[in-house]
Amino acid sequence: DGGITQSPKYLFRKEGQNVTLSCEQNLNHDAMYWYRQDPGQGLRLIYYSQIVNDFQKGDIAEGYSVSREKKESFPLTVTSAQKNPTAFYLCASNLGSGNSNQPQHFGDGTRLSIL
Amino acid sequence: QKEVEQNSGPLSVPEGAIASLNCTYSDRGSQSFFWYRQYSGKSPELIMFIYSNGDKEDGRFTAQLNKASQYVSLLIRDSQPSDSATYLCAVKGTGRRALTFGSGTRLQVQP
Repeated sequence: DGGITQSPKYLFRKEGQNVTLSCEQNLNHDAMYWYRQDPGQGLRLIYYSQIVNDFQKGDIAEGYSVSREKKESFPLTVTSAQKNPTAFYLCASNLGSGNSNQPQHFGDGTRLSIL
Repeated sequence: QKEVEQNSGPLSVPEGAIASLNCTYSDRGSQSFFWYRQYSGKSPELIMFIYSNGDKEDGRFTAQLNKASQYVSLLIRDSQPSDSATYLCAVKGTGRRALTFGSGTRLQVQP
């Protein structure tokens, strides 16, 4: 089945630790996105990538890093510099490029908490 | 001013009624508009998208877009308890590659 797979579903971070959230898609989409959702809030854009080996900061990129070495994969690292990492993290993708008006579809999300 | 605004609700309607959800946006050059449904603890799922002024119908759902007034709405006919969820409005603005989301409206359909 085609879709977006995020792992793990739940993740706990210790003080000073970096953690990496996985996002894999088999939809052959060029564009991938990372959003953060806090309770009772909408989604805020962290990073996005329109093509392999290229990515741009979103509205709240501080304390996060990404890579896009393969079309299928767009991992997000939450670094120790992110002082308030507790949130629901959502990965999305769409065709991108000339089809950037196409809807984005989401993975099931990763819930990150501080230990 | 928030870029995409929604009433947080909750909006409570009886089963079988029409639920009307509204969203306003600030970027007059916005091109694409999306409605997502999000159940508690789950990820958003796409319900409707609309690009042109007017109405777009899909089953029990109708999206309405008025670019001159900068609002987009979602009507849910014959509301069911299973429609109870948070509805997120998302807008693709001028020069932006990603979507800007509102904070969502919580809908409660009473049996």
